[in-house]
Parts: sequence; structure tokens; C-alpha cells
Amino acid sequence: QVLLQESGPGLVKPSGTLSLTCVVSGGSMSSKNWWSWVRQSPGKGLEWIGETYHSGSTNYNPSLKSRVTISVDLPKNQFSLKLASVTAADTAVYYCARVVVVASINWFDPWGQGILVTVSS
Amino acid sequence: DIQMTQSPSSLSASIGDRVTITCRASQNITRYLNWYQQQPQKAPKLLIYGASSLQSGVPSRFSGSGSGTDFTLTITSLQPEDFATYYCQQGYNTLLFTFGPGTIVDVK
Repeated sequence: QVLLQESGPGLVKPSGTLSLTCVVSGGSMSSKNWWSWVRQSPGKGLEWIGETYHSGSTNYNPSLKSRVTISVDLPKNQFSLKLASVTAADTAVYYCARVVVVASINWFDPWGQGILVTVSS
Repeated sequence: DIQMTQSPSSLSASIGDRVTITCRASQNITRYLNWYQQQPQKAPKLLIYGASSLQSGVPSRFSGSGSGTDFTLTITSLQPEDFATYYCQQGYNTLLFTFGPGTIVDVK
């Protein structure tokens, strides 16, 4: 059973960089899956941030692309999110999730428990 | 971008009720549509993938249907643990996944 767990600072100053890590257990990141970050602003819906493959390939949401970096660390079986130049609008619960692909259908499963990151001075 | 809409935005129901939630995509996404359930303060949980395939471990009272632009999630007999928020998600544009705004199912 694959489990994901996010970690990182819960408070980031405006204009700073948000940095989170997602540790994958119970399975290898070298499997044929993409690995994603999704966020949810307080009281709002879900927004896909981007994803990485074990090869290091990435795809990003165009609305965040200029500020986002997602990277993979295979020896540690984890992947990371960096979001630069944050503002209060980036305050959200950040989730990591595995992207399962079967017959060209993509879905997110499982998800990490989520981590609340607040942008405030 | 593929825009996803859901209706209603919220509904009130009783235990044992049949509940139907609709999701609409702004363009044809064939059957690349998934449904998630989110309990308060919890991560979303996959219920249905590929429009109608039930995820392993999910009760059979949940079902999905539809193709193209219009999709439906049905709960045949609402149980106490089903009061939650439900989201649809399109998996057609794999360079920009998008979610619906959610439907809150609460107690009547």
C-alpha cells in the first residue's frame, strides 16, 4: 500500500519561497507513475500545481509555472515542491498525490494527508 | 483550459435518500472523468475513475455515468459517512488537470 506524507514549514513570509517535501512509502517512485502537487485554499476548491516523473520530467500549471519547481529524489523516494515569491493568495493546504494512469485515464490516488502553509509576516 | 462545473453547489439530504450530482466539462473529455469525496479536514479520496469504474473498496451505492461533457455521480442510499464534499476532475488534458468547484452534501 503506497502512502504519501508531506512535510515542511507551516509558515512562510511574503515574497519568500515555499518548500515542501513528499515522502513516498510502500512503493517505489521509479514505477510508471507521475507524482503531483495539488493545493486547496481555505474554503476553496482544488488546484493542480504540477507533477514530476521519476526521470525528472515535469509538467506545471501555466498559471503557476513561472514560480514553481518540482523535483524528484529517487534515493530518498521523495519529491519536492518549491513555490517562489509567495503572497497571501498562496495560503492553502498542499497535498501530494500519485497520478495513476491506466488506458490513458489519469487519476489521483492515493493522496497525502495535506499540510497547511500560511503566508504571513 | 478545460473548465469543470458542478450542480448543485450544495444539497441537503436524509439518510437513505438517493443523491445525484452533475458535472459538466467545457469540452468533450470522452470518459476521462473522476470523482472524489472529501471529508472535513481530510484529503480527497478517489471514488470513481474513467467516468464509471468504482475504485476498489468504495461501496457499491456509489456509481458514475456519462461521457463527452455531461457526467453524473449517484449515491443510491445515503449513509451517515457520505455527508461530505464531492469533486469531479478531468483527466483528459494531462498538461492541466482541473477540478470542479465541489458539491456539499449535508444533513437535511
